[in-house]
Amino acid sequence: VQLVESGGGLVQPGGSLRLSCAASRFTFSTQVMSWVRQAPGKGLEWVSGISGSGGSTYYADSVRGRFTVSRDNSKNTLYLQMNSLRAEDTAIYYCAKAEAGSSGYYLDYWGQGTLVTVSS
Amino acid sequence: QSVLTQPPSVSAAPGQKVTISCSGSSSNIGNNYVSWYQQLPGSAPKLLIYDNNKRPSGIPDRFSGSKSGTSATLGITGLQTGDEADYYCGTWDSSLSAGVFGGGTKLTVL
Repeated sequence: VQLVESGGGLVQPGGSLRLSCAASRFTFSTQVMSWVRQAPGKGLEWVSGISGSGGSTYYADSVRGRFTVSRDNSKNTLYLQMNSLRAEDTAIYYCAKAEAGSSGYYLDYWGQGTLVTVSS
Repeated sequence: QSVLTQPPSVSAAPGQKVTISCSGSSSNIGNNYVSWYQQLPGSAPKLLIYDNNKRPSGIPDRFSGSKSGTSATLGITGLQTGDEADYYCGTWDSSLSAGVFGGGTKLTVL
């Protein structure tokens, strides 16, 4: 399994950014995927998740209404569109492959992350 | 404020055993499996334990997990200096319809 994030960078407060995660070496279209972020010196924060088909999406309260997760299964790519960015969104954003069942949810493979900095 | 509660830090000597606790509620740990992640300095997190007590291929049996009610525990035996890392518990929260993590525990091997 390989996950490679891209699209991070410096953006002004109120701005937008789109992150991408290129997936390979597994059947992307059947797998739940997630985004997790980590602010500098802080712990992990789950951000969003999406089903294999893209028909179901989930968000943390802190980003709901501002962030949109999507996927292009023909390109094996996961996206995170981030709008109305705030300073507190500054973090390393990780893409992760998830295993999700009736009672279980865990992230078994992670990318190396991409840094998003929101600052004027 | 994390949904799951972990101690900020634990420490033990090389060769010893340490446990890290993770406390939640009926909407998360109480009704869902727990996973644990290790994050070495400067690296991405890595899955250590899933479904409360299962180890992915390649994870040594020095690492173990357990769950009781709304709490879970990660155990590490035969501590090595290379085990110094941040450890996070995680699960799904059925009320939030979201993934949740603990605040993380920094392990120091003295």
